[in-house]
Amino acid sequence: AQSVTQPDIHITVSEGASLELRCNYSYGATPYLFWYVQSPGQGLQLLLKYFSGDTLVQGIKGFEAEFKRSQSSFNLRKPSVHWSDAAEYFCAVGRTLSGGYNKLIFGAGTRLAVHP
Amino acid sequence: GAGVSQSPSNKVTEKGKDVELRCDPISGHTALYWYRQRLGQGLEFLIYFQGNSAPDKSGLPSDRFSAERTGESVSTLTIQRTQQEDSAVYLCASSLRGSITYEQYFGPGTRLTVT
Repeated sequence: AQSVTQPDIHITVSEGASLELRCNYSYGATPYLFWYVQSPGQGLQLLLKYFSGDTLVQGIKGFEAEFKRSQSSFNLRKPSVHWSDAAEYFCAVGRTLSGGYNKLIFGAGTRLAVHP
Repeated sequence: GAGVSQSPSNKVTEKGKDVELRCDPISGHTALYWYRQRLGQGLEFLIYFQGNSAPDKSGLPSDRFSAERTGESVSTLTIQRTQQEDSAVYLCASSLRGSITYEQYFGPGTRLTVT
């Protein structure tokens, strides 16, 4: 069965420091991979997605992620974190089912705290 | 334009009562999804609607859960005889179509507390 693992429940970084959030997936076929961010009181917002092609994808808010098939990973990175990046981050794998719709399977999330 | 809206934002109910949660998708979006987010966990798929097709109910955890959608508009998730384990945030999302290539837009969620 498909699954997504985010090994880090909580991460704290200093403002201006670099960030890497880990995501590992289990999926038998070519995965469709997503990162979402959930800020307090807000709905989930799509940061970036990978369907195919270049394994380094750029997203909004200065985030990027790299798909590594050999490691079954899709880690999220940002070179310099801002205080406003404090939020919960979810990795998800999209499973295409008959009928053509995308069922998203989410990891448990990583809560990011940013120290000034 | 307006995003996905959900009501109420918070709901406290007593064990055994029925509750209805509402989702207003983005106008023109044919696909609508319900998810459940328990404390400290990721989102759990509940049900999916696509146009006038039969909904995919494969994620509903028990027969106490049901959902309806009128055409391509409002959806209601109903939980009957609520239990404490139903306490969670219920999120609704819509997308232009049900294909993987269309982004799902999420509402702010309804926080349900069963006492």
